[in-house]
Amino acid sequence: ETGVTQTPRHLVMGMTNKKSLKCEQHLGHNAMYWYKQSAKKPLELMFVYSLEERVENNSVPSRFSPECPNSSHLFLHLHTLQPEDSALYLCASSLGQTTGELFFGEGSRLTVL
Amino acid sequence: GENVEQHPSTLSVQEGDSAVIKCTYSDSASNYFPWYKQELGKRPQLIIDIRSNVGEKKDQRIAVTLNKTAKHFSLHITETQPEDSAVYFCAASYSNKLVFGAGTILRVKS
Repeated sequence: ETGVTQTPRHLVMGMTNKKSLKCEQHLGHNAMYWYKQSAKKPLELMFVYSLEERVENNSVPSRFSPECPNSSHLFLHLHTLQPEDSALYLCASSLGQTTGELFFGEGSRLTVL
Repeated sequence: GENVEQHPSTLSVQEGDSAVIKCTYSDSASNYFPWYKQELGKRPQLIIDIRSNVGEKKDQRIAVTLNKTAKHFSLHITETQPEDSAVYFCAASYSNKLVFGAGTILRVKS
């Protein structure tokens, strides 16, 4: 176990639904990330939180809304998504926001109908 | 802009042979280059990394080389085994974040 847990592991939602993805880390890390993984594409960085403050928002559409209530928890709120948003959403954490090892969760597989 | 190119996209080797995956990056200021392995249905995990102050690093059957002048780095796996079959991602640091390559599917045939 890497200490990064994501729920749910699988999610199917309609375009008008509202759902949330949850990530929890028990590693004492100060930085948390959301990545999007689509087939045959690079891992796309979506958001970075360092010490609970958002430090990066990589031109992500507003239908994705992150929340970081404390250094151990990270949420991704989803609203009025499109079918092309179907992907694996990976949460990761690292000790600090400067580059070092990323510890990934197992991902949430999202399907938008 | 920030860009990491990774080749090949798929690689098939016979068990026991070597495998080489290559990446190029665009920003000469990049100073950290990790490699992640993702087995089917699993999370990506760091297998080896290198910083710009060294040219090569080895860990058992895995090695990474870095050519700063040419802005490319490579992953070398020797004596491949079936359990090496996975997707491998390279990454390069840009302004305190990592930019990933598109991944290489490695298949080791026994």
